[in-house]
Amino acid sequence: AQKITQTQPGMFVQEKEAVTLDCTYDTSDPSYGLFWYKQPSSGEMIFLIYQGSYDQQNATEGRYSLNFQKARKSANLVISASQLGDSAMYFCAMREGRSNDYKLSFGAGTTVTVRA
Amino acid sequence: DGGITQSPKYLFRKEGQNVTLSCEQNLNHDAMYWYRQDPGQGLRLIYYSQIVNDFQKGDIAEGYSVSREKKESFPLTVTSAQKNPTAFYLCASSIPGGPDNSPLHFGNGTRLTVT
Repeated sequence: AQKITQTQPGMFVQEKEAVTLDCTYDTSDPSYGLFWYKQPSSGEMIFLIYQGSYDQQNATEGRYSLNFQKARKSANLVISASQLGDSAMYFCAMREGRSNDYKLSFGAGTTVTVRA
Repeated sequence: DGGITQSPKYLFRKEGQNVTLSCEQNLNHDAMYWYRQDPGQGLRLIYYSQIVNDFQKGDIAEGYSVSREKKESFPLTVTSAQKNPTAFYLCASSIPGGPDNSPLHFGNGTRLTVT
């Protein structure tokens, strides 16, 4: 079964507007962590933001914020004030449990294109 | 600067040949990982290693092999048994047992094309 689901293959957003990228996850483990990565066309994976399952508040990092709805098992990424440099592929990922292997399960990704 | 180096960036091979992808890190991380990326499928875990001389299969290990003789190096061999080897390969590292919010650090990837 798919552990991470990203239902939006591609999205367009106007420069300076906000965009929300959807991510739902599936786990029976009460302890888990959710990560978002950005992948520009050059291919490198850039870590953006983290949300732990026990965190009481939604994570924020600059223009990135995470809308964490635990009961719905969703962890949507919000990018505010979009910039042309935000055009990239975005991946949601999950680490389950408190094991030491630190494996991540990734979603299929969402391609964001920012229009001037 | 510390980081993960994958070489080469592009690699071309003929079908039936084994090919080895290089991954070197100077972050002093104990754990290293290999992921494969195909269009529309996100990243899938091939192999990972938590310490030197030890490694475990990931979700799609068939047709691949790895070694971990040094902490800094985790080469991946794509064998002729891998049915669809053409893909983008990403190497990553992390500190096992670190804080829960420790992200994986990735290299810039190697794009392998087999014809």
